[in-house]
Amino acid sequence: GAVVSQHPSWVICKSGTSVKIECRSLDFQATTMFWYRQFPKQSLMLMATSNEGSKATYEQGVEKDKFLINHASLTLSTLTVTSAHPEDSSFYICSASFLPEDRGGSPLHFGNGTRLTVT
Amino acid sequence: RKEVEQDPGPFNVPEGATVAFNCTYSNSASQSFFWYRQDCRKEPKLLMSVYSSGNEDGRFTAQLNRASQYISLLIRDSKLSDSATYLCVVRGSFNNAGNMLTFGGGTRLMVKP
Repeated sequence: GAVVSQHPSWVICKSGTSVKIECRSLDFQATTMFWYRQFPKQSLMLMATSNEGSKATYEQGVEKDKFLINHASLTLSTLTVTSAHPEDSSFYICSASFLPEDRGGSPLHFGNGTRLTVT
Repeated sequence: RKEVEQDPGPFNVPEGATVAFNCTYSNSASQSFFWYRQDCRKEPKLLMSVYSSGNEDGRFTAQLNRASQYISLLIRDSKLSDSATYLCVVRGSFNNAGNMLTFGGGTRLMVKP
């Protein structure tokens, strides 16, 4: 089945540093990947939609200059948390759909998530 | 009103019990519906899609009521391993800017021995 791989699984960094998270589709081409964030005991919140070869679309309230997204190929999207602060500590999850969006209906498959702790 | 609403629970049930979760959604144009399962500190995993005619997968039965805009998940013969948070997920209409998933807050299930 479709597999989405996310790396790293967890990271601890100091305040002010930048952290890059990778999301790869292993056996399919993902034209669109989604980045979510989940705080403890809360639901997943969509941060941005990453489209291969074009700029990402950010949800309201998500700073595009702080959360840099690059989707340079059909199998890789990266999220960089720049100048991380303790309030950025969260569980970040990517997902991808392997059917064209205009066909709809396909569920998303998720990466294993990255637990970020900023000290 | 939230776009997708679920009772957060927790639902505490004994092994072998039958438990049902409901989920309501506000966008009548929603096209696709799913139940995901999320274990603590893990990513969500697709449990099952929800079809208009209702569908069953082993001990799990999902139903959709478009008129009342809710979906349900029934778990029969609960196992300890069913303990998790169950996420109701709704996908918007096709070919618009909102064609992506909206997650409910999740319903936590705890199955006790």
